[in-house]
Amino acid sequence: EAGVTQFPSHSVIEKGQTVTLRCDPISGHDNLYWYRRVMGKEIKFLLHFVKESKQDESGMPNNRFLAERTGGTYSTLKVQPAELEDSGVYFCASSRGGSLAKNIQYFGAGTRLSVL
Amino acid sequence: KQEVTQIPAALSVPEGENLVLNCSFTDSAIYNLQWFRQDPGKGLTSLLLIQSSQREQTSGRLNASLDKSSGRSTLYIAASQPGDSATYLCAGGDQTGANNLFFGTGTRLTVIP
Repeated sequence: EAGVTQFPSHSVIEKGQTVTLRCDPISGHDNLYWYRRVMGKEIKFLLHFVKESKQDESGMPNNRFLAERTGGTYSTLKVQPAELEDSGVYFCASSRGGSLAKNIQYFGAGTRLSVL
Repeated sequence: KQEVTQIPAALSVPEGENLVLNCSFTDSAIYNLQWFRQDPGKGLTSLLLIQSSQREQTSGRLNASLDKSSGRSTLYIAASQPGDSATYLCAGGDQTGANNLFFGTGTRLTVIP
């Protein structure tokens, strides 16, 4: 079974540019989460999809961030326009449907975003 | 708002020692508590998940405990090996959300051969 896959592994862009991160969850997982770790801080929740629906986007920092999950499969996270403080590692995780208490979240390797 | 603290931030032990990593959280409204390991440049690997109704989980040389009333969890590693060297993260599943995780900053473990 393939794990959670994220593309690209590293992206370097200039301030003001647009970047799109992609996450392919484990096949059959209804839940998809995005997290972010900025330098020296803990990993923080951004948003959660159940299939194609946004269930919770309370962690999204501002309206420069847009996440989609078309057809309930892969997800994209777009940052437009990127700012310096957006630099960090963006993680995606997925888990099965059903009991949340039993739901192990499986993480991808992350996308390291560097905004210059 | 949930806050998760991990102590110590870094730990070095000689190979073969048993060790305990600590995690504390401020809000007991969690679905579960997960322990992860992260190797440099890699993603997070789930080690153990303890549901809020459980007290402990075991996997091989690892044993994790959960005490919701005191807001604490521990990860016990028996007979440590150099391959155990990694950063260990604990995370609570938010019960007011949909199990979105609140992470600690991690403990960086080095096992010296």
